[in-house]
Amino acid sequence: GAGVSQSPRYKVAKRGQDVALRCDPISGHVSLFWYQQALGQGPEFLTYFQNEAQLDKSGLPSDRFFAERPEGSVSTLKIQRTQQEDSAVYLCASSLTGKAPTEAFFGQGTRLTVV
Amino acid sequence: DAKTTQPPSMDCAEGRAANLPCNHSTISGNEYVYWYRQIHSQGPQYIIHGLKNNETNEMASLIITEDRKSSTLILPHATLRDTAVYYCIVRANYGGATNKLIFGTGTLLAVQP
Repeated sequence: GAGVSQSPRYKVAKRGQDVALRCDPISGHVSLFWYQQALGQGPEFLTYFQNEAQLDKSGLPSDRFFAERPEGSVSTLKIQRTQQEDSAVYLCASSLTGKAPTEAFFGQGTRLTVV
Repeated sequence: DAKTTQPPSMDCAEGRAANLPCNHSTISGNEYVYWYRQIHSQGPQYIIHGLKNNETNEMASLIITEDRKSSTLILPHATLRDTAVYYCIVRANYGGATNKLIFGTGTLLAVQP
């Protein structure tokens, strides 16, 4: 595709519900990142994939957060038993190679609201 | 990665140059300076990056001081569409997980008509 695509754009979940957020990176991009952005703050790193390997998950806030990229392309961020503090915009980014310097391309994000 | 300091907000008149400063006094020799911007309700967008030399592309110019402790992003002719939060990020380039970007709170640039 022309850019990084995320779906859904908006998600409202009841507290305790599980959600799954999808990211379609630019075709051929090796690196994929997930970020969380709270209102009025800059994006914060959650996790990183190089192809299908999850090389860094140090930013995941709890074990309720899980990400996967089984075939090295599409990625899913899953949040189990959502809490109100999970309300944020979740951004996905991809870049061409695992080497740098290189620019990251971001999707428009999924705005999650937990009620 | 090194921490950066940016003013929280700036105004600029449409058609004039916007000069956005960034301090990164603890930058290491192998760390690059990157600039991204985020327009309301969109994901961040890459603008430019540099190591030591000044850089220019179709969007902006990046001026890095000789000691590399600070830099300035220049938008030569600001338009209303340049209103956004601008993030200055310093990052080493070892590849892999260290490619992650560490965002601060950035500078909200408001371009006035």
